[in-house]
Amino acid sequence: QVTLKESGPGILQPSQTLSLTCSFSGFSLTTYGMCVGWIRQSSGKGLEWLTNIWWNDDKYYNPSLKNRLTISKDTSNNQAFLKITNMDTADTATYYCARRNYGGYDYWGQGVMVTVSS
Amino acid sequence: DIQMTQSPSSMSVSLGDTVTITCRASQDVGIYVNWFQQTPGKSPRRMIHRATNLADGVPSRFSGRRSGSDYSLTISSLESEDVADYHCLQYDEYPYTFGAGTKLELK
Repeated sequence: QVTLKESGPGILQPSQTLSLTCSFSGFSLTTYGMCVGWIRQSSGKGLEWLTNIWWNDDKYYNPSLKNRLTISKDTSNNQAFLKITNMDTADTATYYCARRNYGGYDYWGQGVMVTVSS
Repeated sequence: DIQMTQSPSSMSVSLGDTVTITCRASQDVGIYVNWFQQTPGKSPRRMIHRATNLADGVPSRFSGRRSGSDYSLTISSLESEDVADYHCLQYDEYPYTFGAGTKLELK
């Protein structure tokens, strides 16, 4: 059974760095072809793809966030991580991690709401 | 970036209706399109993968079609549990891009 769960601070101030953890089970990021991605959704708005990390440590980022994103993984503990620097109120959103395989994103976490406020 | 132009943005529907939502890709994305269903406060649920394939556990009243760069999700005989937001995604080329979403509302 595949599950993913995001965790993070909930609230932070402008200019701070957001650190999120995606803890997953039921698959391994050492398996050929496996990938975990991060997607976010502002309240009442659409979905925005942020980044992917693959089993071979290839990483891809959305250039719209310039160089603010860093994705990493800990395969021993079945976790993926997202850091976003210089957070702004515009980054207030629900952040999801999801497993990506040949058929796109098949399993999603429940999401973690992040509020940026002074 | 590839634009996924999704229409309509909202639709007023009745139970039993056949509903079609469309995404047009600004460039060729092949078969690499997902459709997701999302209800308030929930995570997106994959309904269709590789443009036309029904995801596991999805009712057969859902179907996906591709015609060139146009992708559609059709719900036949709409049921109350189908009233939700729907999103398309292209995962052919980075950055992946979503459509703006379609909100189904009951008349």
